[in-house]
Amino acid sequence: RKEVEQDPGPFNVPEGATVAFNCTYSNSASQSFFWYRQDCRKEPKLLMSVYSSGNEDGRFTAQLNRASQYISLLIRDSKLSDSATYLCVVNSGSSASKIIFGSGTRLSIRP
Amino acid sequence: NAGVMQNPRHLVRRRGQEARLRCSPMKGHSHVYWYRQLPEEGLKFMVYLQKENIIDESGMPKERFSAEFPKEGPSILRIQQVVRGDSAAYFCASSPEGLGTQYFGPGTRLLVL
Repeated sequence: RKEVEQDPGPFNVPEGATVAFNCTYSNSASQSFFWYRQDCRKEPKLLMSVYSSGNEDGRFTAQLNRASQYISLLIRDSKLSDSATYLCVVNSGSSASKIIFGSGTRLSIRP
Repeated sequence: NAGVMQNPRHLVRRRGQEARLRCSPMKGHSHVYWYRQLPEEGLKFMVYLQKENIIDESGMPKERFSAEFPKEGPSILRIQQVVRGDSAAYFCASSPEGLGTQYFGPGTRLLVL
């Protein structure tokens, strides 16, 4: 089992729709969690950290479920510019090698 | 405030040549991380450095690969005697504190012919 798993997609949704995807992790001792977005052939950019109580940033909501070991990202009122690959990042320990990137979920927003 | 800078952005090498990838962290950041990304795959950790120190190189192949972050100048990822399997995007990230939030450079795309 991979340490961090994401549905690769693609998720193809119409503009204005709400879309959500999850990321599961295997290490129950994982401490911190992030969502990054990566546009085609570009670098990953931090979208938001994920806090235990859940957090919201505009149209984006991130949640953590420690019992089931997954994090989620919800995007409301999706825009064409939201089309990208969304990477889940899990920090499972106290070393850089324990910062694990998921392979990403590809999202495509159609007009 | 300039972000993380990497150069070259694209690098073409023939098998057996050396590749040198450079990364200048964000101003005020003294922690640098190197990752490799193959098409349709996630980023794979290679090495974590602070100024003049390699903190964690557990993700870096034991042979042909080396990294440094000197007191002055950029961090360098060096690949000797490149092979076709080294073709990938190499991203550098920096953080202001150890294992803090990472900010990525634009990457270097290495193509080995």
